[in-house]
Amino acid sequence: EAGVVQSPRYKIIEKKQPVAFWCNPISGHNTLYWYLQNLGQGPELLIRYENEEAVDDSQLPKDRFSAERLKGVDSTLKIQPAELGDSAVYLCASSLLPGELFFGEGSRLTVL
Amino acid sequence: RKEVEQDPGPFNVPEGATVAFNCTYSNSASQSFFWYRQDCRKEPKLLMSVYSSGNEDGRFTAQLNRASQYISLLIRDSKLSDSATYLCVVSSADSWGKLQFGAGTQVVVTP
Repeated sequence: EAGVVQSPRYKIIEKKQPVAFWCNPISGHNTLYWYLQNLGQGPELLIRYENEEAVDDSQLPKDRFSAERLKGVDSTLKIQPAELGDSAVYLCASSLLPGELFFGEGSRLTVL
Repeated sequence: RKEVEQDPGPFNVPEGATVAFNCTYSNSASQSFFWYRQDCRKEPKLLMSVYSSGNEDGRFTAQLNRASQYISLLIRDSKLSDSATYLCVVSSADSWGKLQFGAGTQVVVTP
């Protein structure tokens, strides 16, 4: 069974440029999460979807971050414009059961 | 105060020894608890859920102490491959899907 697929794995951009990350969850997993992880820290939730509905986006900086999950399957997270402090690993996860998350390998963003 | 707190370590453990560490949570109404492990530069992976009565999975034992609001993880007969960061995860009291991750405890098993 295929796991959670994310792309790109690595992205280097200059500040003020836009960037987008894509995630394809495990088939049948209705819940999809986007997390941000800085070095030495635990993942921090950006947004959680139940099917196509964003049920928790309270931690998403909406002035520059946006996300969508059309048709309740794959999802895109966008940052525009990127800032230096956005450099981090962006993790996508999906789950079928409460608390049992399956993570993708992450997208490592470096903003110069 | 953070909702989930962990000793960052590192816990340096000789191979074959036992190591244990805790995670404290601030919300007494938290519902569910989990341990994840994360290898260096890899994604987190579920290690085990933590049940009220405590549970064991091979060399790993997890305990929940609701009165003192902490969970613990014990690793027996440590292997080199156990070297990782162990993340404590607590679900929100009002939404099972809302999970809080701790910053992790690093364990280094040495030969």
